[in-house]
Amino acid sequence: EPEVTQTPSHQVTQMGQEVILRCVPISNHLYFYWYRQILGQKVEFLVSFYNNEISEKSEIFDDQFSVERPDGSNFTLKIRSTKLEDSAMYFCASSGGTGNTEAFFGQGTRLTVV
Amino acid sequence: QKEVEQDPGPLSVPEGAIVSLNCTYSNSAFQYFMWYRQYSRKGPELLMYTYSSGNKEDGRFTAQVDKSSKYISLFIRDSQPSDSATYLCAMILTTDSWGKLQFGAGTQVVVTP
Repeated sequence: EPEVTQTPSHQVTQMGQEVILRCVPISNHLYFYWYRQILGQKVEFLVSFYNNEISEKSEIFDDQFSVERPDGSNFTLKIRSTKLEDSAMYFCASSGGTGNTEAFFGQGTRLTVV
Repeated sequence: QKEVEQDPGPLSVPEGAIVSLNCTYSNSAFQYFMWYRQYSRKGPELLMYTYSSGNKEDGRFTAQVDKSSKYISLFIRDSQPSDSATYLCAMILTTDSWGKLQFGAGTQVVVTP
């Protein structure tokens, strides 16, 4: 069964450092998303990406965040200068094939900023 | 007022019982409603999605939507210990925004043998 794959599963970084979280969406999907879940809180939408550009972003997704699809298979989330409050689970999701359909989530990357 | 409200639980039931979960929402523009299951330290997994008011059944799961009351429910019949997880309701405005899900806080369910 096709699945969304995220790496690494856990990333520890120093405050102020840049991190890149990686995702391989389901191969024929066209829409890509990042969500985050701070421990004990709800899953929150960050950004959606379609046709090589951001289609929508939340107020959380400020200038410290960027997304990229550097090749035909990877989808990345970069946080330029991490803060303690960026510590969370980050989920990648993808949807759509021939049409836009429900989103499928990856297993997540746990980001810990120390 | 939060857009999507969901009691975080935990909700503990004996094996074989019916699990009843619900969410309320404030934005009447939401049109599509989903239930996701999330095991500890895993990503959300889609269980069911519905559009119209009424019931939708899939095996042991029944999703109910009442748009007039802005209230959705999920029922799990004949619950099993493997159903122990956090259940998230989620909703979207249109199918153009499938990925921009608005989640509830999730209800933790524990099914005891």
